[in-house]
Amino acid sequence: DGGITQSPKYLFRKEGQNVTLSCEQNLNHDAMYWYRQDPGQGLRLIYYSQIVNDFQKGDIAEGYSVSREKKESFPLTVTSAQKNPTAFYLCASSVSARGPGANVLTFGAGSRLTVL
Amino acid sequence: QQQVKQSPQSLIVQKGGISIINCAYENTAFDYFPWYQQFPGKGPALLIAIRPDVSEKKEGRFTISFNKSAKQFSLHIMDSQPGDSATYFCAASFRSGTYKYIFGTGTRLKVLA
Repeated sequence: DGGITQSPKYLFRKEGQNVTLSCEQNLNHDAMYWYRQDPGQGLRLIYYSQIVNDFQKGDIAEGYSVSREKKESFPLTVTSAQKNPTAFYLCASSVSARGPGANVLTFGAGSRLTVL
Repeated sequence: QQQVKQSPQSLIVQKGGISIINCAYENTAFDYFPWYQQFPGKGPALLIAIRPDVSEKKEGRFTISFNKSAKQFSLHIMDSQPGDSATYFCAASFRSGTYKYIFGTGTRLKVLA
């Protein structure tokens, strides 16, 4: 089945540690996205990538980093610089970031990060 | 101007009733209005979507009503079922280089059996 796989589902981190969230898709989509979800705040865009080896900051990129070395993979690193990292993180993809199919997002099941 | 305001924050409906969730936007550049359904611990899934050139779209028990002049759109769930209990997000997107999505804050729906 085609889809997006996020891991781990739950992650606990001590303050000052970096953690990396995995996102893999087998949909052959060009564009991938990371969103953060907090209660009562909807989904906010952290980073997005239109194509391999290219990515752009979203609305709340501070304290986060990404890479896009392969079309299928878009890992997110939550660094120690992120002041309030406890949240539910969602990875998504779309056929492209421009043109037909660009506006249909497919989401993964999410990763819940808790900072202790 | 890029906000999408969603209401209510939570909604309780009896089984068989109609659930109505409303969203309002300001930016007239938005050209695609999807609704996403999210169950606890899962990612959102596209439920239904509409473009501004139509006033209504229906898929089974789910209907989007769109009022372009008022810059409002709403989701109606007819014959609501306990299995519909989830969080619903409206969204609006527009093309600015790449597509941008603005999400509403979500409505937690509970349908009582």
